[in-house]
Amino acid sequence: GDQVEQSPSALSLHEGTGSALRCNFTTTMRAVQWFQQNSRGSLINLFYLASGTKENGRLKSTFNSKESYSTLHIRDAQLEDSGTYFCAAGSSGSWQLIFGSGTQLTVMP
Amino acid sequence: EAAVTQSPRSKVAVTGGKVTLSCHQTNNHDYMYWYRQDTGHGLRLIHYSYVADSTEKGDIPDGYKASRPSQENFSLILELASLSQTAVYFCASSSGTDSAETLYFGSGTRLTVL
Repeated sequence: GDQVEQSPSALSLHEGTGSALRCNFTTTMRAVQWFQQNSRGSLINLFYLASGTKENGRLKSTFNSKESYSTLHIRDAQLEDSGTYFCAAGSSGSWQLIFGSGTQLTVMP
Repeated sequence: EAAVTQSPRSKVAVTGGKVTLSCHQTNNHDYMYWYRQDTGHGLRLIHYSYVADSTEKGDIPDGYKASRPSQENFSLILELASLSQTAVYFCASSSGTDSAETLYFGSGTRLTVL
């Protein structure tokens, strides 16, 4: 099965609200990265985490290697936050990053 | 700011034709990658390289070749394009293969094979 399971596959938010995206891992991962793919298709790296929590503006991400998951929290969502969010993780036994299938986020007025 | 530039931005090719996608990075990164993205899916690794004049196979290398003539440049070559290779292709670079190393992506090339 897939080593990186991302949920939800799609999410709609009204401006000013927030939610969380999640990635579950079926194997031990050493680090996780989160990317946003914007409306032009560009992939922008948001966070890299080997452990713990990082925050940047309205975004916060947590990586729990022991419990095999990572989350991306978005608060006070804005229209420009719309896009597809991907997590990608590297396992302990391999250097390769494995991508989740993405969460398509739509922020509505 | 890291910079990875891909060309062309989009291309239409005929089945059986040869396609070359180009990638140039100014990050001074040793590692470069080609990924493929199909509609509604994540990215899958096609080829990667960690040094000039050397390339390695990723997860889905069949039907693709890669070329790394210099540290800055990495090309993806489809010798005989097929319908199933219609996708968006992303080039990326990083300073290392450890999963601690952040990937920097180009803007993507949308390839349509007819």
